[in-house]
Amino acid sequence: EVQLVESGGGLVQPGGSLRLSCTASGFTFSSYAMTWVRQAPGKGLNWVSAISGSGESLYYADSVKGRFTISRDKSKNTLYLQMNSLRAEDTAVYYCAKWGRNYGDPVDFWGQGTLVTVSS
Amino acid sequence: DIQMTQSPSSLSASVGDRVTITCRASQSVIGYLNWYQQKPGKAPKLLIYAASSLQSGVPSRFSGSGSGTDFTLTISSLQPEDFATYYCQQSFSSPRGTFGGGTKVEIK
Repeated sequence: EVQLVESGGGLVQPGGSLRLSCTASGFTFSSYAMTWVRQAPGKGLNWVSAISGSGESLYYADSVKGRFTISRDKSKNTLYLQMNSLRAEDTAVYYCAKWGRNYGDPVDFWGQGTLVTVSS
Repeated sequence: DIQMTQSPSSLSASVGDRVTITCRASQSVIGYLNWYQQKPGKAPKLLIYAASSLQSGVPSRFSGSGSGTDFTLTISSLQPEDFATYYCQQSFSSPRGTFGGGTKVEIK
């Protein structure tokens, strides 16, 4: 059974940092691209970042480029999102999600989400 | 970046109604278009992939159509458990995958 469990969310002051983790199980982690999607309170889904299965290719939304860093640890089956220089507008539930195996496949499994609140 | 526009942003419907939601891409995504359902406090759930393929376990009252820039999600007979928010997402530029703004389906 595929499982994605996020952790690391919480309250942080503007300008601060936070690292989110997503522990994966039930599939061959290194074979799949992974992604972070966020949802501000009462708003829609926004794609944030993605990483290839090998970890060699990284992708970012313009809104987080230069502030967020995505990475993965194959030995721990874990996906990370390092978030620096946080702003109030980064407040959201952050979902870790798994892409399908092939180009064009959908995001087919999501974690339960972790809430990040940026406030003084 | 490819922009995705959904309409309407919300709608009211009754149980048994036929509901149609549209999604338009700013450029052709061929058939790489997916639909998700999200209920309050829950993660999104994949309903339709590749524009018209039904995800395993999803009821057959859900269907998708379209290609290029214009796509449609149809619920043939709305059920109480279908009241939720629906999102389209393009996977043409995966693993970048932009979403539409969402359509909230509410009870009339």
